[in-house]
Amino acid sequence: DTGVSQDPRHKITKRGQNVTFRCDPISEHNRLYWYRQTLGQGPEFLTYFQNEAQLEKSRLLSDRFSAERPKGSFSTLEIQRTEQGDSAMYLCASSPGSSNEQFFGPGTRLTVL
Amino acid sequence: AQSVSQHNHHVILSEAASLELGCNYSYGGTVNLFWYVQYPGQHLQLLLKYFSGDPLVKGIKGFEAEFIKSKFSFNLRKPSVQWSDTAEYFCAAHTGGFKTIFGAGTRLFVKA
Repeated sequence: DTGVSQDPRHKITKRGQNVTFRCDPISEHNRLYWYRQTLGQGPEFLTYFQNEAQLEKSRLLSDRFSAERPKGSFSTLEIQRTEQGDSAMYLCASSPGSSNEQFFGPGTRLTVL
Repeated sequence: AQSVSQHNHHVILSEAASLELGCNYSYGGTVNLFWYVQYPGQHLQLLLKYFSGDPLVKGIKGFEAEFIKSKFSFNLRKPSVQWSDTAEYFCAAHTGGFKTIFGAGTRLFVKA
């Protein structure tokens, strides 16, 4: 399967713990996006990478959230000191440099108890 | 602020009925528009897109959408829905920069 993959698919954690999610984009795509989706809503933009450079971050991305894409390939999203309000589906998408069409992964569903 | 509005949160249709899902965006400049679909248990996937040119765009599975600049709209249509079209549909707009803004989605249920 050469699509976007995300790991883990599900994560249950206790409030205050740190969590890290991984996204592997389609190999030739240099653009990578993170979104958060809650029930009844569409995906909300969190951050964008072009190769290894993080070029845009949403105001939604508080200082507890950090994302990296160290070698311009896979990316990680870390949430420190999780809160119940962080419970959501975290989606990763990638796109080629020539298009704004995004290819989405299956998401990581986070539940904070 | 830039936003995308989808008028219907839930739509129920019988097979063979015609479908139109409304989408409006708020942005005065050049915009790329998309409809994504999420079938039960599957990833979001692109249904169709508009960048420029013919305002009537055709996508997969018989879907089409019309870009009406004067109305800031990009409504999705299908003349005859099938049970397999049951899914959630998201309208999205890319308004420059790197951000794509999604609507809240419309859940379509097609009765067999």
